[in-house]
Amino acid sequence: AQTVTQSQPEMSVQEAETVTLSCTYDTSESDYYLFWYKQPPSRQMILVIRQEAYKQQNATENRFSVNFQKAAKSFSLKISDSQLGDAAMYFCAYRNLNQAGTALIFGKGTTLSVSS
Amino acid sequence: DVKVTQSSRYLVKRTGEKVFLECVQDMDHENMFWYRQDPGLGLRLIYFSYDVKMKEKGDIPEGYSVSREKKERFSLILESASTNQTSMYLCASSLAGGGYTFGSGTRLTVV
Repeated sequence: AQTVTQSQPEMSVQEAETVTLSCTYDTSESDYYLFWYKQPPSRQMILVIRQEAYKQQNATENRFSVNFQKAAKSFSLKISDSQLGDAAMYFCAYRNLNQAGTALIFGKGTTLSVSS
Repeated sequence: DVKVTQSSRYLVKRTGEKVFLECVQDMDHENMFWYRQDPGLGLRLIYFSYDVKMKEKGDIPEGYSVSREKKERFSLILESASTNQTSMYLCASSLAGGGYTFGSGTRLTVV
């Protein structure tokens, strides 16, 4: 069975600095997606970034980028120029593509606090 | 703007009551999901559906059932609510293999 592990329950960063959130996963599949979701205190889960496993290039969305290491099964999220609005819980997630009707598997989350 | 709508943001129910949590999406997505979120445990999958009238058990289906009579609507049913079902419930939908769009969640308290 696939698993997703976020080893940092809490992280903190100062405004304008860079922070990296870690995620590792375990799978024997070759085709899958990886995601980072953000859940602010308002609790609406928002997709931050997505990575297809077949793509070697790391995904980037504005200040958010990933370091995808397929062989190491590692998928970290880097937030550059951190802003107060980045404070939230961040979830890493995995989805298998080789089976019909599959669900996302989530890590337990990392709470990010941002200080001014 | 695409939407997943959960009918209630907060609910308080009594032990033993039958509880219905409703979720509607307007994106014509095949897949719909119900998770519960608890501190320290992350999101745990209760049930999901990949087509109308189809359902699959997730990791923690005990005490819950679901109904999907129409593509846009996926209902979670607590047959006899218990205090250990007090939680945040999140509904989501997706195309096959894609990322999720989430609803805003229902915080259920069972007293």
